[in-house]
Amino acid sequence: DAGVTQSPTHLIKTRGQQVTLRCSPISGHKSVSWYQQVLGQGPQFIFQYYEKEERGRGNFPDRFSARQFPNYSSELNVNALLLGDSALYLCASSFTPPGRRGGTDTQYFGPGTRLTVL
Amino acid sequence: SQKIEQNSEALNIQEGKTATLTCNYTNYSPAYLQWYRQDPGRGPVFLLLIRENEKEKRKERLKVTFDTTLKQSLFHITASQPADSATYLCALDFTNTGGFKTIFGAGTRLFVKA
Repeated sequence: DAGVTQSPTHLIKTRGQQVTLRCSPISGHKSVSWYQQVLGQGPQFIFQYYEKEERGRGNFPDRFSARQFPNYSSELNVNALLLGDSALYLCASSFTPPGRRGGTDTQYFGPGTRLTVL
Repeated sequence: SQKIEQNSEALNIQEGKTATLTCNYTNYSPAYLQWYRQDPGRGPVFLLLIRENEKEKRKERLKVTFDTTLKQSLFHITASQPADSATYLCALDFTNTGGFKTIFGAGTRLFVKA
């Protein structure tokens, strides 16, 4: 079985532009989460989607948005890019939503998309 | 405020020794806690999950303890090998008014010398 896939691998944009990152979860997984990881820090939670609905949101500005499609793949959009948006963007999938008490599912991460904003 | 703290300094140990990494948190009531390994430029890889009602979990050379009173988890790698050199992340999963969230610590870099 293929793991979580993300595209593109690398991306270079300029300030003010918009970017769309894509994620395909592991087959059978219905939950997708997005994270931003800046060098030297742990991943920062952006969004969590389950069954095409947003179930969790981190402390990111409204320039960040996401959606999940009927096939459970997901897109993360970032508008009006800033230099500080340069980071590794990680997608993770699980069968059930993370954080559910009694749940046993963990998250499986993709390789990430490296976004550089110039 | 809510915080997760891991040893900020790198941990250097000799091959064959036991590495012990610490994860402390405040003001969370996590459903469970997870440990991940991350190599440079790659996504985190899941290692172990321990639930709020469990004290200890083992998997091969790995052991995790979880003390919800102390709000601390310890992650042990026994008989460490140079291939264990990586950054290790702890993560808390919980639910609050904002919905489901996973919060990661900044990670601890482990170097195992041959």
